[in-house]
Amino acid sequence: EEQLVESGGGLVKSGESLSLSCLASGFTFSIHTLNWVRQAPGKGLEWVASIASHSSVISYAESLRGRFTISRDNAKNSLYLQMTSVTTDDTGVYFCARIGIYMAYSLDVWGQGTTVTVSS
Amino acid sequence: EIVLTQSPGTLSLSPGDRATLSCRASQSVGSNYLAWYQQKPGQAPRLLIYGASRRASGIPDRFSGSGSGTDFTLTVSRLEPEDFAVYYCQQYGGSPMYTFGQGTKLEIE
Repeated sequence: EEQLVESGGGLVKSGESLSLSCLASGFTFSIHTLNWVRQAPGKGLEWVASIASHSSVISYAESLRGRFTISRDNAKNSLYLQMTSVTTDDTGVYFCARIGIYMAYSLDVWGQGTTVTVSS
Repeated sequence: EIVLTQSPGTLSLSPGDRATLSCRASQSVGSNYLAWYQQKPGQAPRLLIYGASRRASGIPDRFSGSGSGTDFTLTVSRLEPEDFAVYYCQQYGGSPMYTFGQGTKLEIE
């Protein structure tokens, strides 16, 4: 079964840092572009960042550029998101999601999400 | 930035009804890089439609997508109880790389 499992969420204070991880299994991790997508409580989906298969292309949502860093380790089948200087607006569920091959850049496999809560 | 506007915000229907959800883009979506997702409470989104009209693996044929350019539609031909959820459209391309619509909640009437 193709699977993504996030971890690393928790309760942090405003201004602190947090690192999220996403472990893949059941597919060839190194050929896929991976993304982070977040969802604030009761709100819609917001794209956060994307990283190409061998980290050659990295993109961020403009509002998050400079505070968040996406990275990956293909040898460990793992995706990461380093979050710094967090604010209460960063509270939400963070999903990792895979871009499907030949699927018009849609996100075909998602993790179950990890919850980040930022207190003031 | 391409903005996606979904309508209606909430759609109240009964099992067996036909559901039509709209997604309008502020600019043309290149190469029909438009997808639809279903999300139930406490769950991750699930891909339904990609490339505007292609069903993802395992998606029942009562779900169909259509449209091009700036106007896209998700249709559920006969609603089953498990179809009541929130639906999002999403486009790829430009800056930011991905944008999502605000969602349509499909609820039981």
